[in-house]
Amino acid sequence: DIRMTQSPASLSASLGETVNIECLASEDIYSDLAWYQQKPGKSPQLLIYNANSLQNGVPSRFSGSGSGTQYSLKINSLQSEDVATYFCQQYNNYPNTFGAGTKLELK
Amino acid sequence: QVTLKESGPGILQPSQTLSLTCTFSGFSLSTYGMGVGWIRQPSGKGLEWLANIWWDDDKYYNPSLKNRLTISKDTSNNQAFLKITNVDTADTATYYCARFRVTTPFDYWGQGVMVTVSS
Repeated sequence: DIRMTQSPASLSASLGETVNIECLASEDIYSDLAWYQQKPGKSPQLLIYNANSLQNGVPSRFSGSGSGTQYSLKINSLQSEDVATYFCQQYNNYPNTFGAGTKLELK
Repeated sequence: QVTLKESGPGILQPSQTLSLTCTFSGFSLSTYGMGVGWIRQPSGKGLEWLANIWWDDDKYYNPSLKNRLTISKDTSNNQAFLKITNVDTADTATYYCARFRVTTPFDYWGQGVMVTVSS
């Protein structure tokens, strides 16, 4: 199985700040990488797929980058509604695997 | 408009079989490139992928659950199903179904259904 190591596990940031979340795959996943946002009590929502493609309806302050084994999610100008847990997922190989999540809070 | 909704028993006892149904609208599982997957999440924990079924009936399972999983679909009624045999307390979680396509991973998710395994 491909292991997805996500960091940091938790993050505290101020409104308007830029936030970066990293995901490291245990082998090359050829950009088959998605980022999801999950707010408390809600289902995950797709933000980014194919490492850097923005899902329809997602604000442009969210962006993804990376290749090979290293990927990142960037949130520009943090808003209060961005408080959530973020998960990465590789879908290059079965079994699909998720990172452990990054809990983002406001400072 | 794509929607998915999970349904299940709520609570069941160890060693029983868990049967989950995903009823969806806004797409067809007979359309090329479409698929439905199942993902679960124990309370306060991360996401675990369980199984995928494609439009052509191709199926994939998480080997960590060994041979306990069976995924299936009823295209005419826009439903997908997941069975988990011989459940135990470790199977207590919220279970989600989600749509995926050849071009995108899980782009629409259901609201989730909570399942508790308890004696």
